[in-house]
Amino acid sequence: KNEVEQSPQNLTAQEGEFITINCSYSVGISALHWLQQHPGGGIVSLFMLSSGKKKHGRLIATINIQEKHSSLHITASHPRDSAVYICALPNFGNEKLTFGTGTRLTIIP
Amino acid sequence: NAGVTQTPKFQVLKTGQSMTLQCAQDMNHEYMSWYRQDPGMGLRLIHYSVGAGITDQGEVPNGYNVSRSTTEDFPLRLLSAAPSQTSVYFCASSYRRAGNTIYFGEGSWLTVV
Repeated sequence: KNEVEQSPQNLTAQEGEFITINCSYSVGISALHWLQQHPGGGIVSLFMLSSGKKKHGRLIATINIQEKHSSLHITASHPRDSAVYICALPNFGNEKLTFGTGTRLTIIP
Repeated sequence: NAGVTQTPKFQVLKTGQSMTLQCAQDMNHEYMSWYRQDPGMGLRLIHYSVGAGITDQGEVPNGYNVSRSTTEDFPLRLLSAAPSQTSVYFCASSYRRAGNTIYFGEGSWLTVV
């Protein structure tokens, strides 16, 4: 089973700061998901990436397949970015997802 | 498109009762799955399906049953509810397997007393 570790578990920052959330895993994968969950809310897919880097607005996701590591960056953070960010990895057959325990991000105005 | 629709959103059950959480998607996705989310545990896979008529167990299948008679629907049945099944349940779907973008329902908050 793929072991997934996210860091930090909790992160509080001031509005405007550059945010980095990390995800490390133990077994090679074909793709990795970054998800966002607002308090009491549903889960939204932010990115699915298999190599390199993807950007959507102020969000950037990178993955290094060789180092088994992915990062999610938020530029010019805003209080509405406050949420739990979760990385998820499919198994070899892409039938099952293993999830990190999430990073709780709080952005203070 | 409605996306992934889960019902009910909230439910309180007594120990031993049975119930079904409904999940439907209108995106013609082959892959559907059910997860439970517990504090400090992250999301865990209960059951999944790679197409109509095909289901398989995930990480925590005990006490739950599923069927996939149509592409659109993937209900989750609690056979005899236990307090340990108090959790938030999410249904999800993707076009083909878990290596594609995943779409989640809004969640179902279940309390077993």
